Amino acid sequence: AQSVTQLGSHVSVSEGALVLLRCNYSSSVPPYLFWYVQYPNQGLQLLLKYTTGATLVKGINGFEAEFKKSETSFHLTKPSAHMSDAAEYFCAVSDLNTGNQFYFGTGTSLTVIP
Amino acid sequence: DVKVTQSSRYLVKRTGEKVFLECVQDMDHENMFWYRQDPGLGLRLIYFSYDVKMKEKGDIPEGYSVSREKKERFSLILESASTNQTSMYLCASSLLLGQGAYEQYFGPGTRLTVT
Repeated sequence: AQSVTQLGSHVSVSEGALVLLRCNYSSSVPPYLFWYVQYPNQGLQLLLKYTTGATLVKGINGFEAEFKKSETSFHLTKPSAHMSDAAEYFCAVSDLNTGNQFYFGTGTSLTVIP
Repeated sequence: DVKVTQSSRYLVKRTGEKVFLECVQDMDHENMFWYRQDPGLGLRLIYFSYDVKMKEKGDIPEGYSVSREKKERFSLILESASTNQTSMYLCASSLLLGQGAYEQYFGPGTRLTVT
């Protein structure tokens, strides 16, 4: 069965520091991978996605993620954190076996310290 | 832009009431989903639908039912609301895998409190 593990339910970084949010997935076939962001009392917004092709994916707001098949990982990074990056981040996986379902991780809450 | 709207942002209901949560999408998406979001548990799938009048159970369907009479509208029904159904409810829609840009688009959520 497909699953997603996000290591660290809470991550704190200083403003200007590197942001690294970890995501590992399980899938028996090539996966489709997604990162979503949720600001307080809002729905989820797509940050970036990997379907096929280049394994380094760039998204909105300066975020990027790299699909590493050998490590079954899709970690999210941003070189320099901004106060506005404080939010909840969710990693998700889907594939041809999931019948169009997405499987979400439990989320990582990012705090940015001024 | 794809737009997914939900009928209420905040809702307060009493135990035992029948509750309807409505979701409408304007992009002609085949798939529609209802999730429940609770702290520390992430998003859990309640039901989804891949076509009009079609529905599939997700991970936590107990206590819920759904209706999809029109392609753009997907309703979640709590037949008899209970306090353990107090939660944030999120609706989403997507194209079918292989039909184009494959991602889920989310509504703003409905925060339901059952007292």
